[in-house]
Amino acid sequence: GENVEQHPSTLSVQEGDSAVIKCTYSDSASNYFPWYKQELGKRPQLIIDIRSNVGEKKDQRIAVTLNKTAKHFSLHITETQPEDSAVYFCAASMGGGYQKVTFGIGTKLQVIP
Amino acid sequence: NAGVMQNPRHLVRRRGQEARLRCSPMKGHSHVYWYRQLPEEGLKFMVYLQKENIIDESGMPKERFSAEFPKEGPSILRIQQVVRGDSAAYFCASSPGGTGYTSGANVLTFGAGSRLTVL
Repeated sequence: GENVEQHPSTLSVQEGDSAVIKCTYSDSASNYFPWYKQELGKRPQLIIDIRSNVGEKKDQRIAVTLNKTAKHFSLHITETQPEDSAVYFCAASMGGGYQKVTFGIGTKLQVIP
Repeated sequence: NAGVMQNPRHLVRRRGQEARLRCSPMKGHSHVYWYRQLPEEGLKFMVYLQKENIIDESGMPKERFSAEFPKEGPSILRIQQVVRGDSAAYFCASSPGGTGYTSGANVLTFGAGSRLTVL
């Protein structure tokens, strides 16, 4: 089955700096890569996703890049703010009739004011 | 649209009792997923279901755990003879499903979770 590895497990940045979280996946058939943000005590919420026919996607201060050849994808947060502090999960999934979504272990991001 | 509804939000059980967690997917969603999250840990896949059908239960322990998603009513995750190690947050998520390369078919929406404490 699919295996998603994520690093770093914890990340501290100064407010205003950038944060980068990296993930790798094992199954070359995976074609959908979402990122979820989970604040303390809350549910995971989708913040951005990318599909395999796209190499990069941007939404305001967050961007994702995908390298299908190397089987890795990354989340970039620019101009970090204290409210960005949370746990971020990457995930991978195949399309079609079988759509199990496998998550990475998560990255705890702390933005220091 | 009420989103994904999970209940109970908090459940306390003594060792050996049964726990039943319920999940109603978003309207129009036909796929349900269950994940377990231990404190300071990630989302561990347990089971993936469609209506009346288990698609993948590779993450669910073979003993004491079962899941169903009947034609009518919510999906249920059942844990029999609970042990302290079962204490965790159990998140349900739903997706629209669909075949082929369908945009949004596997986009997950999570419920608020059910926190199980085993005494």
